[in-house]
Amino acid sequence: GQQLNQSPQSMFIQEGEDVSMNCTSSSIFNTWLWYKQDPGEGPVLLIALYKAGELTSNGRLTAQFGITRKDSFLNISASIPSDVGIYFCAGPSTDKLIFGTGTRLQVFP
Amino acid sequence: NAGVMQNPRHLVRRRGQEARLRCSPMKGHSHVYWYRQLPEEGLKFMVYLQKENIIDESGMPKERFSAEFPKEGPSILRIQQVVRGDSAAYFCASSPTTDNYGYTFGSGTRLTVV
Repeated sequence: GQQLNQSPQSMFIQEGEDVSMNCTSSSIFNTWLWYKQDPGEGPVLLIALYKAGELTSNGRLTAQFGITRKDSFLNISASIPSDVGIYFCAGPSTDKLIFGTGTRLQVFP
Repeated sequence: NAGVMQNPRHLVRRRGQEARLRCSPMKGHSHVYWYRQLPEEGLKFMVYLQKENIIDESGMPKERFSAEFPKEGPSILRIQQVVRGDSAAYFCASSPTTDNYGYTFGSGTRLTVV
């Protein structure tokens, strides 16, 4: 079945640093979504991408829909402590979303 | 305007007991999805339901697990005869339409089997 692989698996960074993570798939997606999961909570939608090459921002977050439609990227600029959590990419598969393996972000002051 | 409500937040069951997890979707949302998250892992799709119908249960274990979304009331995920391996966080999400993938998730039910 379709799988979404995220890298890196985890990141430990200092407050103020920029962060980049990506998500790759063996098959083409027509929509890419990025979610964040705070510790002990459910995922929350950050950004949705609908077109190959699309670049969309939400505050300090910027996501891109890869040209090949098999990957997507998420960047966080000037990280702050509340950016801590797990970031998931997701894409539609038949009638539901499938989620990537996640990137765990830890931010140190 | 409440979001997706899941209860209980935490549930402890002894091996062999039944676990019932409830999910009330957002107002106006008729599509409900259940996901399971094992410790240190990602979200795995279990089942997709609309009112009174199971649309896709391809992620549900063949035995002991069942789900429903009745005409009235919340969606229920039921696990019979729980085993230690069922310990996980179970998340429910809802959406207003089939092609709206901006799911709204609940805070989850954390099931611990002792």
